[in-house]
Amino acid sequence: EAQVTQNPRYLITVTGKKLTVTCSQNMNHEYMSWYRQDPGLGLRQIYYSMNVEVTDKGDVPEGYKVSRKEKRNFPLILESPSPNQTSLYFCASSQGNTGELFFGEGSRLTVL
Amino acid sequence: DQQVKQNSPSLSVQEGRISILNCDYTNSMFDYFLWYKKYPAEGPTFLISISSIKDKNEDGRFTVFLNKSAKHLSLHIVPSQPGDSAVYFCAASKGGGADGLTFGKGTHLIIQP
Repeated sequence: EAQVTQNPRYLITVTGKKLTVTCSQNMNHEYMSWYRQDPGLGLRQIYYSMNVEVTDKGDVPEGYKVSRKEKRNFPLILESPSPNQTSLYFCASSQGNTGELFFGEGSRLTVL
Repeated sequence: DQQVKQNSPSLSVQEGRISILNCDYTNSMFDYFLWYKKYPAEGPTFLISISSIKDKNEDGRFTVFLNKSAKHLSLHIVPSQPGDSAVYFCAASKGGGADGLTFGKGTHLIIQP
């Protein structure tokens, strides 16, 4: 089954404790991206990757890092999480950078 | 500055009637538009798209209309069914790519029996 898998799905952490949200897709897609969804703000892009070892900033990259060492994986790293990073995070992928994205089920992160 | 606007946070429609969801954009460089549907506790799923060279695209019960001069698009669902109750996101991009894909804030569609 074609899917984008995110882990963890739910996480409560404390300010400053480094965490990684993993994302893996099994569709051999070149393009992968991270979004955050906040009430009243819709979906905002954090980072994206056009292919292995190619990453770029989206609209709200501050406080986040990403890496793309393998085609299937695109982890989101919060080096020092802060309460304003409490949000619902979605990973997405697409074939050849079309706008038709496949999304993961989301990871709800709470930073205390 | 919000480049893709969905001005109705929610919309309630009776089952069997037509649902019309609206979206406005400000960036004239956008040339590819998409609608996504999202259920609670799930990720968004792609629904339908339209290129700026067209003014209409239809897929079953779903039709998207594009009015370039007004920088406006709409999604029509006919007839509306209970399973259509979800949040709908409008999105726009330049050149059809996902790297600059900009989403609206979403409209919560509620289909009433």
